[in-house]
Amino acid sequence: NAGVTQTPKFRVLKTGQSMTLLCAQDMNHEYMYWYRQDPGMGLRLIHYSVGEGTTAKGEVPDGYNVSRLKKQNFLLGLESAAPSQTSVYFCASSYLGEGTEAFFGQGTRLTVV
Amino acid sequence: GENVEQHPSTLSVQEGDSAVIKCTYSDSASNYFPWYKQELGKRPQLIIDIRSNVGEKKDQRIAVTLNKTAKHFSLHITETQPEDSAVYFCAASNDYKLSFGAGTTVTVRA
Repeated sequence: NAGVTQTPKFRVLKTGQSMTLLCAQDMNHEYMYWYRQDPGMGLRLIHYSVGEGTTAKGEVPDGYNVSRLKKQNFLLGLESAAPSQTSVYFCASSYLGEGTEAFFGQGTRLTVV
Repeated sequence: GENVEQHPSTLSVQEGDSAVIKCTYSDSASNYFPWYKQELGKRPQLIIDIRSNVGEKKDQRIAVTLNKTAKHFSLHITETQPEDSAVYFCAASNDYKLSFGAGTTVTVRA
């Protein structure tokens, strides 16, 4: 039982490049989330999904897109990376969403130069 | 949306002393309040949570209190140990979304 797995763990991008971060969970959770973590700002919600085929915007969605084609996977895309997107990205999943524990992946450290 | 404020941002305590972290939230509809611990370079992990119909919850050396009227909740760690050194995040849940505080870096001095 791997829990929540993120790919890749580290990445360096040049400004303007694109990339996709993959999150996979094997707990049959309905709800999945993408957060970014910046020093002194905690975890900020980028996008989330309440089920396969659905996505919604979080607190800081600009510059990111997401897809949930399969229940177990939640993809975060950066179409044209900017230095302001340098951050640590965490994926999380939970069974019911409201009122249940969110399990986090190990994080992806992204640097945009 | 929900706004969670967390204080203090850093906390240094002597081993064996208590540590208290306080959070306030803005949305009265929030009804689930978890606390996460994040060790350096690791993922956040749930340490304790409380729901809006409960005023206090305890798990060994960790306790959380909730005052819904005042919209604030607190984490209490007693008899602190070196392994309690980490960043602690409070969060409030409303409409399937968790909103996090900015975090408190706790350092336990030996």
